[in-house]
Amino acid sequence: DGGITQSPKYLFRKEGQNVTLSCEQNLNHDAMYWYRQDPGQGLRLIYYSQIVNDFQKGDIAEGYSVSREKKESFPLTVTSAQKNPTAFYLCASTPLAGASEQFFGPGTRLTVL
Amino acid sequence: KQEVTQIPAALSVPEGENLVLNCSFTDSAIYNLQWFRQDPGKGLTSLLLIQSSQREQTSGRLNASLDKSSGRSTLYIAASQPGDSATYLCAPPEKLTFGTGTRLTIIP
Repeated sequence: DGGITQSPKYLFRKEGQNVTLSCEQNLNHDAMYWYRQDPGQGLRLIYYSQIVNDFQKGDIAEGYSVSREKKESFPLTVTSAQKNPTAFYLCASTPLAGASEQFFGPGTRLTVL
Repeated sequence: KQEVTQIPAALSVPEGENLVLNCSFTDSAIYNLQWFRQDPGKGLTSLLLIQSSQREQTSGRLNASLDKSSGRSTLYIAASQPGDSATYLCAPPEKLTFGTGTRLTIIP
């Protein structure tokens, strides 16, 4: 089955620790995205990548980092510099960058203890 | 910057009724408009993608229309069912901006 997988589903972190969220897709899509969702709010773009070895900051990139070493993988690191990291994180991909249909993974819920 | 608004924020209707969800966007220079469904604690599921050359798109009991000149899209759900209860979001894919969604509850 083609799709997007995110792991883990739930993640707990102590303050001051960095954590990495995994996102993998087997759809052969060029572009991948990370969003953050907080209760009662819409999705906000953290980072996106249109091609391997290239990525751009979104609206709320501070305290986050990404890499795109392989087409199918786009991991997100939440660093200790992110002041309020508790949220639901969603990864998405599109066949091409731009106006094409977005597909989403199941999400990772991160809680800072 | 593109802003997307969805009204109402929440909607409850009895089972079997037809309903309309609204989506408006400030920048009419979009190509496509996508509707999603999100169940609690889950990712987004794509429902319909209306491409720039289309004015509407249909899938089963769902029909979505797009009027770029007025900056509006509507999602029509016919003969609603309890399983339709979810949050519905819209977004122009190329703008990477989402509305806060409409939380729909179908009352059995």
